[in-house]
Amino acid sequence: DAGITQSPRHKVTETGTPVTLRCHQTENHRYMYWYRQDPGHGLRLIHYSYGVKDTDKGEVSDGYSVSRSKTEDFLLTLESATSSQTSVYFCAISEPVGNTIYFGEGSWLTVV
Amino acid sequence: AQSVAQPEDQVNVAEGNPLTVKCTYSVSGNPYLFWYVQYPNRGLQFLLKYITGDNLVKGSYGFEAEFNKSQTSFHLKKPSALVSDSALYFCAVREDNYGQNFVFGPGTRLSVLP
Repeated sequence: DAGITQSPRHKVTETGTPVTLRCHQTENHRYMYWYRQDPGHGLRLIHYSYGVKDTDKGEVSDGYSVSRSKTEDFLLTLESATSSQTSVYFCAISEPVGNTIYFGEGSWLTVV
Repeated sequence: AQSVAQPEDQVNVAEGNPLTVKCTYSVSGNPYLFWYVQYPNRGLQFLLKYITGDNLVKGSYGFEAEFNKSQTSFHLKKPSALVSDSALYFCAVREDNYGQNFVFGPGTRLSVLP
């Protein structure tokens, strides 16, 4: 298994509260990603990072921010959680040339 | 823009029979194609990929996939299905050999019936 650790794995939070999900990798891969998975929508890219302090938006970035201060860590923040952000969040990593994207085990977030 | 289609939401097959999960793609450059499997409450696991070379790619757990450039397809196959193959399968494409833009299909749920 790829060395990707997501935390927390499960969280229930209230609407309007901030939430931060953490992704930690031990593979020293350059690219890191946050996806969300929802029934009927498959996997959708939220944000990605192509290096320390280098990030960009994905398909569904509204309401989310990210930070990458170290190669190994990529944080996803929901500034003010809403019920529509109830989802399963996956972190992933890859190298830029020709290689595979590997996924973490997911973080289940419920916003009540 | 890249896109991936998995035309079947659900595929049912009897144990021991061959299985096929279909994937078609659209890219403007050279495609790099991937298959992933997801078991309940788990992350996506890499099965196999096509970058270049032989059109028949062999991967984990006895799976293989055939790249067909003229039909822009990359169907996943297995000669003899197992009940334990029941899972959600995702096809993904990445254009050319650089960059971050992986695009995933919506997924196909495979049920192997005993």
